[in-house]
Amino acid sequence: KAGVTQTPRYLIKTRGQQVTLSCSPISGHRSVSWYQQTPGQGLQFLFEYFSETQRNKGNFPGRFSGRQFSNSRSEMNVSTLELGDSALYLCASSLGGGGINEQFFGPGTRLTVL
Amino acid sequence: TQLLEQSPQFLSIQEGENLTVYCNSSSVFSSLQWYRQEPGEGPVLLVTVVTGGEVKKLKRLTFQFGDARKDSSLHITAAQPGDTGLYLCAGRNAGGTSYGKLTFGQGTILTVHP
Repeated sequence: KAGVTQTPRYLIKTRGQQVTLSCSPISGHRSVSWYQQTPGQGLQFLFEYFSETQRNKGNFPGRFSGRQFSNSRSEMNVSTLELGDSALYLCASSLGGGGINEQFFGPGTRLTVL
Repeated sequence: TQLLEQSPQFLSIQEGENLTVYCNSSSVFSSLQWYRQEPGEGPVLLVTVVTGGEVKKLKRLTFQFGDARKDSSLHITAAQPGDTGLYLCAGRNAGGTSYGKLTFGQGTILTVHP
């Protein structure tokens, strides 16, 4: 079974631009969660989508948004980029139901904002 | 807001030594997961513990979930250079609807010298 895939793997943008990251979950998984990882803050939860609906949201500004498609693929968008948005963006997929609901991570997208 | 305190933050040891990483919280978790992450890659799930007092073994790695499900530990016996990496604990809260939200510890950077 293929794992979680994320594209692109690397991105370089300048301040003020916007960016869209993509995540394809493991086949059969209906939940996709997004995390931001930085050396100073560690892994911070951005949001989670399940069946095309945002089910959970972290404490990030409205410049960070996402969506999920009917095939469970998800995109994350960051508008008006700031230098502090430079980070590794990780998505994780899970079955999405109750119970243990283990999350499996993709390789991440390394975003650098200049 | 749930917090997971992970310690130590850095660990540098010689091959063959034993080590323990701790993950503590004042909150109760319905489950707790341990991940290992290599530079530039996403976290890889090692184990999930669910039941208070549960102990799971994965070769030289032993994971324990506290009786009250507020803390966990990872013990590595006879560490090898291949164990080098960032170890992360992540908990899912016991109440509410935070299905897709994991709270991560800050991580432990383990370096095993040959």
